[in-house]
Amino acid sequence: NAGVTQTPKFQVLKTGQSMTLQCAQDMNHNSMYWYRQDPGMGLRLIYYSASEGTTDKGEVPNGYNVSRLNKREFSLRLESAAPSQTSVYFCATAGGTSSYNEQFFGPGTRLTVL
Amino acid sequence: AQSVTQPDIHITVSEGASLELRCNYSYGATPYLFWYVQSPGQGLQLLLKYFSGDTLVQGIKGFEAEFKRSQSSFNLRKPSVHWSDAAEYFCAVGKSNDYKLSFGAGTTVTVRA
Repeated sequence: NAGVTQTPKFQVLKTGQSMTLQCAQDMNHNSMYWYRQDPGMGLRLIYYSASEGTTDKGEVPNGYNVSRLNKREFSLRLESAAPSQTSVYFCATAGGTSSYNEQFFGPGTRLTVL
Repeated sequence: AQSVTQPDIHITVSEGASLELRCNYSYGATPYLFWYVQSPGQGLQLLLKYFSGDTLVQGIKGFEAEFKRSQSSFNLRKPSVHWSDAAEYFCAVGKSNDYKLSFGAGTTVTVRA
C-alpha cells in the first residue's frame, strides 16, 4: 500500500501561472485535507473534504480551489499563482475504523512561485 | 475553536541527554492530542496520540507524553536522545465529531554530539 501520494514533488511557477496539485490515497479514508507549511507557522489548513462529495474552507483558503474527484483523490488548484503561495503543501487523510481524528500525511509538494 | 501553543521554537540537546518538548492547548472539552515528527524534507509521522484513559501514553521511537488536564498540557519526553531524533516536532489537537486538527508552530530539535 502506498498510503498517501502527492504529485509533483517539486514545482516552480511564474506569477500568474496555474497548476493543480494531486493527492491520492489507498487507505479507504473518508476525509482528506490540504495544508500549507511555512517556517514558524506550523501547518495551516487550506481546504478539507469530510467525505466524498463535500468540500469546505479551512483557515487559509484564498487563492485556492479544490476538487474531491472520488473517494481516493483530492486535488488543490492554484488558478493564478502568487509569490505568497510559495510553500510546502501537504495532503492528509483520516477516517479509518478507529482513531478517526488521526491524520496520515503525504510526502509534500515544494512549490516556488517566482 | 481549539488552539495549540508550543512555547519553544528551537531546542538543542546533547546526544544521550533527556528531552522534553512543551505543548499547551486551548479547548473546553476533552481534547484529542497528537505529536507528529517531521524529518528534513519529509512528511509528518505520528509519534503518539491521546484520546482517553491512561494519561501517560507511549509512542514510537521511545517517546512518551503525559496529558495533564489541570495544566492544559501534553508534553513530549524522551529519556535519552539519539542523533536521529533531530527533527521538527508538532503538537496537534482535535475534538470529537470533528475531523480537523489544529497544529502548533512546531519545535525544532538539534542534537549535538
